[in-house]
Amino acid sequence: DTAVSQTPKYLVTQMGNDKSIKCEQNLGHDTMYWYKQDSKKFLKIMFSYNNKELIINETVPNRFSPKSPDKAHLNLHINSLELGDSAVYFCASSHPRTGGSYNEQFFGPGTRLTVL
Amino acid sequence: SQKIEQNSEALNIQEGKTATLTCNYTNYSPAYLQWYRQDPGRGPVFLLLIRENEKEKRKERLKVTFDTTLKQSLFHITASQPADSATYLCALLGRGNTGKLIFGQGTTLQVKP
Repeated sequence: DTAVSQTPKYLVTQMGNDKSIKCEQNLGHDTMYWYKQDSKKFLKIMFSYNNKELIINETVPNRFSPKSPDKAHLNLHINSLELGDSAVYFCASSHPRTGGSYNEQFFGPGTRLTVL
Repeated sequence: SQKIEQNSEALNIQEGKTATLTCNYTNYSPAYLQWYRQDPGRGPVFLLLIRENEKEKRKERLKVTFDTTLKQSLFHITASQPADSATYLCALLGRGNTGKLIFGQGTTLQVKP
């Protein structure tokens, strides 16, 4: 029944570790996104994939690497975690409508990452 | 650089009143403007979209206006209910098909019974 799901919901780890967050959508959408929401609640786009192809790559450290094995999945791998990476990470998906990119986006429940 | 401003102070209103939230932007000409609702510990949920050539959009108790001259959108909730208490985010979408949304920081609405 879940539209966009993420695992894990909480992730607590030490500085320097490598971790992954997984995202899956069962909406049949072509496009998936990763967002970061910081402590001030700003939601900022990091990456976007359309049909497994990277289309948005914002100014994000190259320690962050998205991977899309198929159009229903978009995972986020983070190397050498730093304190500043602590945030809530949201996955989202959308399907552009014909005649324009309306892009109503459907968000997952978020993954709260805490780096100690 | 592009900037979106929403009132960072919480908005407290009495049940039954109309809540009005403001979204101002600079250095951008969005083709679309969207409003999302976010509850604590959850992801944003899409509410409404308005296009640059539309002045007003309604959906049940919700109304959105879009003034591209003032670079401002107003979001109204009429006959507000305690269940409307949440953070409301405005987001701008440009032309093209990248789907890149630029979000404001949101305004928290508290409706008191």
